Amino acid sequence: DVVMTQFPLSLSVTLGQPASISCRSGQSLLHSNGNTYLNWYHQRPGQSPRRLIYKVSNRDSGVPDRFGGSGSGTEFTLKISWVEAEDVGVYFCMQGTHWPYTFGQGTKLETK
Amino acid sequence: QVQLRQWGAGLLKPSETLSLTCSVYGGSFSDYFWSWVRQPPGKGLEWIGEINHSGIANYSPSLKSRVAISVDTSRNQFSLKVTSVTAADTAVYYCARKDVLTGPDYWGQGTLVTVSS
Repeated sequence: DVVMTQFPLSLSVTLGQPASISCRSGQSLLHSNGNTYLNWYHQRPGQSPRRLIYKVSNRDSGVPDRFGGSGSGTEFTLKISWVEAEDVGVYFCMQGTHWPYTFGQGTKLETK
Repeated sequence: QVQLRQWGAGLLKPSETLSLTCSVYGGSFSDYFWSWVRQPPGKGLEWIGEINHSGIANYSPSLKSRVAISVDTSRNQFSLKVTSVTAADTAVYYCARKDVLTGPDYWGQGTLVTVSS
């Protein structure tokens, strides 16, 4: 299975400040069809995951534009331009290039 | 508005069979894969498997010997069975819709399944 490694595992950010989460895959996520299937999800306590970003950098409908994804190959980043109170929770990266799909361990974001 | 609602037994004894069902409301049922993902307490997410409307299923190799996913297109439902459960199967189980082009997008509310004697 492709190992997905996130860092940091926890993040404490002042409201209004930026945040960045990294995700590294054990193999390139570039599919033979030219797409890179790397998604980002946000999970609030007691809730289901919500997809924020698909295929590295595409924001889902309704996701604020202060969320941005980037990267290629094996290195990916989720950036929040400025953190708001509603952004607390755990962020997961997920690869959908290699079967079985695998997730990062999660990064817990807290605000201060 | 797409919604996935899931249900099933929440407390099992070791060696019993886990059984969950997910019902899909809104959107097309035939254009997606329908998936199961689990999350052990305090841990990350684990992909279990998926199925499409034709019944073509793919399973994670680590669980393949004990897992079966089925689909009922007449009810827009799909189901998960995991046989011979142990404490290691204790987790919140989620159903999810997987867009072939973009991956999992909509998720069910989750069901906590606890395996304990």
